[in-house]
Amino acid sequence: GAGVSQSPSNKVTEKGKDVELRCDPISGHTALYWYRQSLGQGLEFLIYFQGNSAPDKSGLPSDRFSAERTGGSVSTLTIQRTQQEDSAVYLCASSRKSGRSSQETQYFGPGTRLLVL
Amino acid sequence: KQEVTQIPAALSVPEGENLVLNCSFTDSAIYNLQWFRQDPGKGLTSLLLIQSSQREQTSGRLNASLDKSSGRSTLYIAASQPGDSATYLCALRADSGAGSYQLTFGKGTKLSVIP
Repeated sequence: GAGVSQSPSNKVTEKGKDVELRCDPISGHTALYWYRQSLGQGLEFLIYFQGNSAPDKSGLPSDRFSAERTGGSVSTLTIQRTQQEDSAVYLCASSRKSGRSSQETQYFGPGTRLLVL
Repeated sequence: KQEVTQIPAALSVPEGENLVLNCSFTDSAIYNLQWFRQDPGKGLTSLLLIQSSQREQTSGRLNASLDKSSGRSTLYIAASQPGDSATYLCALRADSGAGSYQLTFGKGTKLSVIP
């Protein structure tokens, strides 16, 4: 594909509802990252997938957050029982993992803007 | 824990001016530093990446410098244009250890170039 794609681009939900955010990485990229950008805050790391290795979930803010990556490609970030503080832009990035680490530039998608009412 | 600070938070300049955006970081054990551009409603676009062994990188009207010892990087934009208006983000990768693939971001500088 031409770049990282994310859907939906915008999501409005009511407090307490579950939401799913989708990320399609660049074809051939084995590494996938989720970040969150809250209003007035910098981007914060959420979770990292690399190939078939166990994901690094150290950035997930609570157990209401989870993510999967099926078939080493598409990833879904799920937020259960959403709270108003979950409102943010959720960005996905992918990179080509290679022996030459200098090539591991992360390419970002346009993000999903989540608003929890 | 690495902390990244970008000053100023916002900057407004007339078209044609040269300008400098600043990024400072607390831990000099970095693998590389990247400057990104973020436009409203869009994702991040990578502008320049500087490896820890490098001092600067140039692309067109952009020049980024890195001084690890002082924990500073600057992004220089020459002959600014209205199309340069965006938020500019500085991001670092740690040198080693757990999470060294993560990017740690500053909060950004919002640039407005006035025609």
